[in-house]
Amino acid sequence: AQSVTQLGSHVSVSEGALVLLRCNYSSSVPPYLFWYVQYPNQGLQLLLKYTTGATLVKGINGFEAEFKKSETSFHLTKPSAHMSDAAEYFCAVSDREGSQGNLIFGKGTKLSVKP
Amino acid sequence: NAGVTQTPKFQVLKTGQSMTLQCAQDMNHNSMYWYRQDPGMGLRLIYYSASEGTTDKGEVPNGYNVSRLNKREFSLRLESAAPSQTSVYFCASSEALTGAIGYEQYFGPGTRLTVT
Repeated sequence: AQSVTQLGSHVSVSEGALVLLRCNYSSSVPPYLFWYVQYPNQGLQLLLKYTTGATLVKGINGFEAEFKKSETSFHLTKPSAHMSDAAEYFCAVSDREGSQGNLIFGKGTKLSVKP
Repeated sequence: NAGVTQTPKFQVLKTGQSMTLQCAQDMNHNSMYWYRQDPGMGLRLIYYSASEGTTDKGEVPNGYNVSRLNKREFSLRLESAAPSQTSVYFCASSEALTGAIGYEQYFGPGTRLTVT
């Protein structure tokens, strides 16, 4: 069965520092991978996704992620954190093994940005 | 374009009461989904509808029913609410099943439900 693990439920960085949010997945078929962001009291917004092709994916707000099949990882990075990046981030894998109706989410990483 | 809309935004129920959460999308999407979000659990799929006229169970369907009223609307019903159903409920839609093609899902703003 497919699953997603996000390492670290809370990450704190200083404004201007590198943001690195870790995501590992398990899947026996080529995965579709997503990163979503949730600002307080709002719904989820897509940051970026990987389906096929180029393994380095660029998203909105300066975020990018690299699909590494050998490491079963899809870590999210941003070179320089901004205060407005404070939010909760969810990695997700699309269910391609079962009913195909699922996005299987990690438990989320809350990012804090210190001034 | 409003995207995905949900009503109500907040609701408090007593144990045993029933209610229906409404969801509508204006993007002409075929597939729609209901999730619940609980602290530290991420989002879990309750039910989904691949296309108008079809519905299927997700990971946590017990205690819920759904109706795909038409292509735009997908409602979630709690017949007899329990405290364990206290959660934030999100509706989402996508052009087709995410698992089939990799289409992203678009989420509504959520309904915060408390069952006392």
